[in-house]
Amino acid sequence: GQNIDQPTEMTATEGAIVQINCTYQTSGFNGLFWYQQHAGEAPTFLSYNVLDGLEEKGRFSSFLSRSKGYSYLLLKELQMKDSASYLCAVRDLGQNFVFGPGTRLSVLP
Amino acid sequence: SQTIHQWPATLVQPVGSPLSLECTVEGTSNPNLYWYRQAAGRGLQLLFYSVGIGQISSEVPQNLSASRPQDRQFILSSKKLLLSDSGFYLCAWSVGAGLYNEQFFGPGTRLTVL
Repeated sequence: GQNIDQPTEMTATEGAIVQINCTYQTSGFNGLFWYQQHAGEAPTFLSYNVLDGLEEKGRFSSFLSRSKGYSYLLLKELQMKDSASYLCAVRDLGQNFVFGPGTRLSVLP
Repeated sequence: SQTIHQWPATLVQPVGSPLSLECTVEGTSNPNLYWYRQAAGRGLQLLFYSVGIGQISSEVPQNLSASRPQDRQFILSSKKLLLSDSGFYLCAWSVGAGLYNEQFFGPGTRLTVL
């Protein structure tokens, strides 16, 4: 079966660092994606991991461990505009993307 | 550059009425196309995906159907809407091969069934 887990909600302070975890169990694996979704809007692509290790892109970094079925998204120097839902998604060996339930992040002043 | 269009942006329909949501992609050929539904405060549920014209795979059995009459056009339909069909409908596309084929999402259609 396909299962992706993320925390439902997280809260952090402006300027801080937050780590959003994602664990997955899928029938195949061909990449893990992180998306940001502001309320009422479509998801936008943040990062992609297919090999183990850390991918850094500005204030955002994403880590993958395929043997553990685990990824995290790291957000540094948090800004108020980072308040959004963060979706973890796994692409299987076909063309399917399986999405987690999303983590709603609230950044407080 | 590639763009994806969805319409309408919002829709309010009575129970039992038909539905037709359209999605078109520009700037790419032979994309994989997807329809998702997102209920309030929930994750994305894959409804249909298509790897080519006339090729539709259904992930969740329900009263919805999808069609792909042209390479870059994907239509979501229903003959009779249910209350449970309310949600945020997102169309997405990806390329078929290669690395970094993340999905790109359209702006979405917010459907309210009354």
